[in-house]
Amino acid sequence: AQTVTQSQPEMSVQEAETVTLSCTYDTSENNYYLFWYKQPPSRQMILVIRQEAYKQQNATENRFSVNFQKAAKSFSLKISDSQLGDTAMYFCAFWGENAGNMLTFGGGTRLMVKP
Amino acid sequence: ETGVTQSPTHLIKTRGQQVTLRCSSQSGHNTVSWYQQALGQGPQFIFQYYREEENGRGNFPPRFSGLQFPNYSSELNVNALELDDSALYLCASSLDGDSTDTQYFGPGTRLTVL
Repeated sequence: AQTVTQSQPEMSVQEAETVTLSCTYDTSENNYYLFWYKQPPSRQMILVIRQEAYKQQNATENRFSVNFQKAAKSFSLKISDSQLGDTAMYFCAFWGENAGNMLTFGGGTRLMVKP
Repeated sequence: ETGVTQSPTHLIKTRGQQVTLRCSSQSGHNTVSWYQQALGQGPQFIFQYYREEENGRGNFPPRFSGLQFPNYSSELNVNALELDDSALYLCASSLDGDSTDTQYFGPGTRLTVL
C-alpha cells in the first residue's frame, strides 16, 4: 500500500514571498502520478498541479512549480509571489497504476498568506 | 459547462439511521469517486463508479454502498450510522475510468451524526 506524508501541518508566508510545501510518499509502483490539490476555506477542492512519474522535468503552472525527486520519493510544491487567495489547505495526492483507482491523500498543510 | 454539484449541503442524523448523499457529475464525465474527509484530515477514498459499475473500493465497510445512474449522477448510501461517520463527504468526477484524468471535486456534504 502507498502512503503520503505531509510533515508541515501549518505554514505561513508574507504576501509576495515564496513558500515551499513538503510531501513524501512511499510506493513500490513504477507508474504513478502525483498531484497537489488546494482546498480554500469553505470552497471546493481544485487541482493545482500534477506530475507524471515517468517525466523527469518538473511540472510548472504559472506561480506554482514542483520539485520532484523520484529516488527520494519527494514531491514538494513551491508557490512564488504568494497572494492572499493562496490561503488554503494544500493536499498532496498519489495515484498508482495498481492502486485500484484510488487517490491517496496526505494529511494536508494549512497555508496562511499574510498581508 | 456545469460543475460537480452535491446535495444536501449539510445533514444531521442520529446513530443507527441511514443516509443518502447525491452527486451530479460534471457534464461529459462518466466516472464518479467518493471520499470521506474527517475534520482536519485528508480525504479518504471510499469507492469509484464508472459507467454504472463499481470500479474500485477503499477500506470502508459494506454499510457504505453506492449507485451510479445512466446519466452518471451518483448516490452514496450509509447504513447504521456511527458517530465516526461524521465528516465532509466529497464526490469527484472525471472524464473516464482512468484515474490519471483530473478529478473535479464538488463542494461536499457535511454529515453530522449525533
